[in-house]
Amino acid sequence: QPQLQESGPGLVKPSETLSLTCTVSGDSIDSRNYYWGWIRQPPGKGLEWIGIISNSGSTQYNSSLRSRISISIDTSKNQFSLKLNSVTAADTAVYYCAREIMMVGFDVWGQGTLVTVSS
Amino acid sequence: QSALTQPPSASGSPGQSVTISCTGSSSDIGGYVFVSWYQQHPNKAPKLIIYEVIKRPSGVPDRFSGSKSGNTASLTVSGLQAEDEANYYCTSYAGSHSWAFGGGTKLTVL
Repeated sequence: QPQLQESGPGLVKPSETLSLTCTVSGDSIDSRNYYWGWIRQPPGKGLEWIGIISNSGSTQYNSSLRSRISISIDTSKNQFSLKLNSVTAADTAVYYCAREIMMVGFDVWGQGTLVTVSS
Repeated sequence: QSALTQPPSASGSPGQSVTISCTGSSSDIGGYVFVSWYQQHPNKAPKLIIYEVIKRPSGVPDRFSGSKSGNTASLTVSGLQAEDEANYYCTSYAGSHSWAFGGGTKLTVL
């Protein structure tokens, strides 16, 4: 079973860019069988799908966030990354990276990382 | 991607059965067989427990079962156990490789 680990700053100032990286171990990220995704969860609230990327770099984003987000992949490092710009307090959440079996669901998750947007 | 509608809470006594509903539209639940459910314990990552409406990943007890009718999916937990107390989230494929999530249901074992 692969393992996913999120990393990045836990505190971001309003209007700046949130940047997170997910490192995958125990499996190659360069696989056509999976997509690699980001999901977030504001404190005390439900899950929100952010977007996904394939091994070839094809992306799909949540329409409500599309203007502010970018997901990229680095197969040489077995990592994929999330950038969310112009953040506000509403972007404060636990951010999870996860592996998606195509259209089946997210079967492997990282432990999650809390990102707080505050000055 | 519109959010799916779940009841905020559900409860049952040990040994009983509880069903959690998840209502969407013809653009998500009603249009695809790709409905999945996740279990999340406090301060833990979600865990996939049902996929493709009715299927269970290896290791998930058969006390968990899923179904779908029209635009509504359901998760049934039979023979409730204390460790089933958690938040449950439904998701559905919503086209163009996007996913819609439900707001979550907190299941309490009385």
